[in-house]
Amino acid sequence: GNSVTQMEGPVTLSEEAFLTINCTYTATGYPSLFWYVQYPGEGLQLLLKATKADDKGSNKGFEATYRKETTSFHLEKGSVQVSDSAVYFCALSAYNNNDMRFGAGTRLTVKP
Amino acid sequence: DAGVIQSPRHEVTEMGQEVTLRCKPISGHDYLFWYRQTMMRGLELLIYFNNNVPIDDSGMPEDRFSAKMPNASFSTLKIQPSEPRDSAVYFCASSLASYNEKLFFGSGTQLSVL
Repeated sequence: GNSVTQMEGPVTLSEEAFLTINCTYTATGYPSLFWYVQYPGEGLQLLLKATKADDKGSNKGFEATYRKETTSFHLEKGSVQVSDSAVYFCALSAYNNNDMRFGAGTRLTVKP
Repeated sequence: DAGVIQSPRHEVTEMGQEVTLRCKPISGHDYLFWYRQTMMRGLELLIYFNNNVPIDDSGMPEDRFSAKMPNASFSTLKIQPSEPRDSAVYFCASSLASYNEKLFFGSGTQLSVL
């Protein structure tokens, strides 16, 4: 079945450090890929998405490129801020099922 | 639009009691999802509806859980009887038709069963 696997956390970085959170997927056909972010006490909210191979999603300085050859959608940011501290979820939805499949989540803590 | 609205925000109950969680999706959204989030199991899909019809309830843990969507603007998730292992954050989310549309999440209900 369709699924996503993301790197386990937690991840702790200093402010202005480079961030990478790995995500790989398994799916039939051509899924759409997403990164969601969850701040403390809140629901998940969409950070970025990509709907086809080689698409790059970007938002708030975060980027992720849909790599079909490696079935990956790694999240990156060049310089993290304390306000980026949150839990990040990789997710997938595919034509053969309408529900969104989420990874386990990666907790990021950014220290000043 | 006010977004997806869930109530209550927090619920504390005793084992054996009935619990009802409520959700109002964003107007015009055709899909409604119920998720459960725990430290151990992460974010699990319990059930989802399309145009008020349950499509996939394979994630519902057991018969103690039931969900309804009597109309396009309201859904409930009921647990009867509740057990301590049901303690979790329950999220409702909605989306437009189409598989590649993003989900809009509510703020969740923090359920504690003592």
